[in-house]
Amino acid sequence: RKEVEQDPGPFNVPEGATVAFNCTYSNSASQSFFWYRQDCRKEPKLLMSVYSSGNEDGRFTAQLNRASQYISLLIRDSKLSDSATYLCVVNQENQGGKLIFGQGTELSVKP
Amino acid sequence: NAGVTQTPKFQVLKTGQSMTLQCAQDMNHEYMSWYRQDPGMGLRLIHYSVGAGITDQGEVPNGYNVSRSTTEDFPLRLLSAAPSQTSVYFCASSRRRGRYEQYFGPGTRLTVT
Repeated sequence: RKEVEQDPGPFNVPEGATVAFNCTYSNSASQSFFWYRQDCRKEPKLLMSVYSSGNEDGRFTAQLNRASQYISLLIRDSKLSDSATYLCVVNQENQGGKLIFGQGTELSVKP
Repeated sequence: NAGVTQTPKFQVLKTGQSMTLQCAQDMNHEYMSWYRQDPGMGLRLIHYSVGAGITDQGEVPNGYNVSRSTTEDFPLRLLSAAPSQTSVYFCASSRRRGRYEQYFGPGTRLTVT
């Protein structure tokens, strides 16, 4: 079983739709969680950190469920510019700060 | 402030050739790392460094060497290229290892024939 698993893509949605991505992690000792965005053939960039109480940044909401070892990212009112691959990233500080990347979920927003 | 720079952007090697991928950062970050990205696999850590003079192996270190003689530079050496090393390579840096934002370079697309 992969340490971090994401929904297989691609997700094809119309502009204005709400879309949710899920991510599960296997190591219960994982301590920090992130969503990165990667545009086609470009480098990943941090989208947002994920906090235990859940957090929001504009149209983006991230949630963490430690009991179920599950992270989610919700995008409301999708824009064409949201088309990208979204990477779930888990940090295991008890293993020296090891970062584990999910394989990514591709989102395509259509007009 | 250039962030993280990588050269070259593209490279084609023949099996058995060696080469060095360059990586530099100007943010005075302690932590630097190399990843490879293959379809369906996510980013996998090759080697990392927590400071000048200190390097360690990641998840997939075989066939690669690194050194960190300065805070700014972290080159990745392919000793004897193999087709299995065809991939996209990203260098990243952050203040420290762990829960800090990773800043990635633009990547090097390597093909080994």
